[in-house]
Amino acid sequence: EADIYQTPRYLVIGTGKKITLECSQTMGHDKMYWYQQDPGMELHLIHYSYGVNSTEKGDLSSESTVSRIRTEHFPLTLESARPSHTSQYLCASSDPTGATNEKLFFGSGTQLSVL
Amino acid sequence: KNQVEQSPQSLIILEGKNCTLQCNYTVSPFSNLRWYKQDTGRGPVSLTIMTFSENTKSNGRYTATLDADTKQSSLHITASQLSDSASYICVVRGGKNTDKLIFGTGTRLQVFP
Repeated sequence: EADIYQTPRYLVIGTGKKITLECSQTMGHDKMYWYQQDPGMELHLIHYSYGVNSTEKGDLSSESTVSRIRTEHFPLTLESARPSHTSQYLCASSDPTGATNEKLFFGSGTQLSVL
Repeated sequence: KNQVEQSPQSLIILEGKNCTLQCNYTVSPFSNLRWYKQDTGRGPVSLTIMTFSENTKSNGRYTATLDADTKQSSLHITASQLSDSASYICVVRGGKNTDKLIFGTGTRLQVFP
């Protein structure tokens, strides 16, 4: 089982609140990702990082921001949550970094509901 | 446009039966194709990876096939178990930027006793 952890598992908040979704991995992977997944839909890449101090936006436009100050930690922040942000957020890391056969290891996800 | 389409969208089978899930893609150039299993409320877990030169690969009761000419892959599950109930996601790496992953919407499999 992958050593990648997300907290919280479930989060229900009101509109306008600032939230941070936590993601940590203990595998020493350089590359980390955030995906957004709605029920019955494919995963959409919203952010990724190649290593410390590296962050990039993914294919799906997102109002969230990320940071990568430490290799093992890749938190995602929403400054002002809205109902349209309601979704499941999946964090992943990959090994071997940069190889075409790299495998993603996913966390269990955070199910966010904004009321 | 690079796309990955999976069928059926959902499938119900009885425990012990076999089933086959399909994945068709239009991604070019093609790098590899990976099948993931996603249990409800969990993140996806890799089952197997298929590269251009591979036609078939097994992982326990799971057997994946790849036809790079027709751009089709299948995942065959033998002697299904209740624990096989999950979504199965086909992910293709490729496109002009070969670092890009294109996800299918998945097949939701339910195995009943």
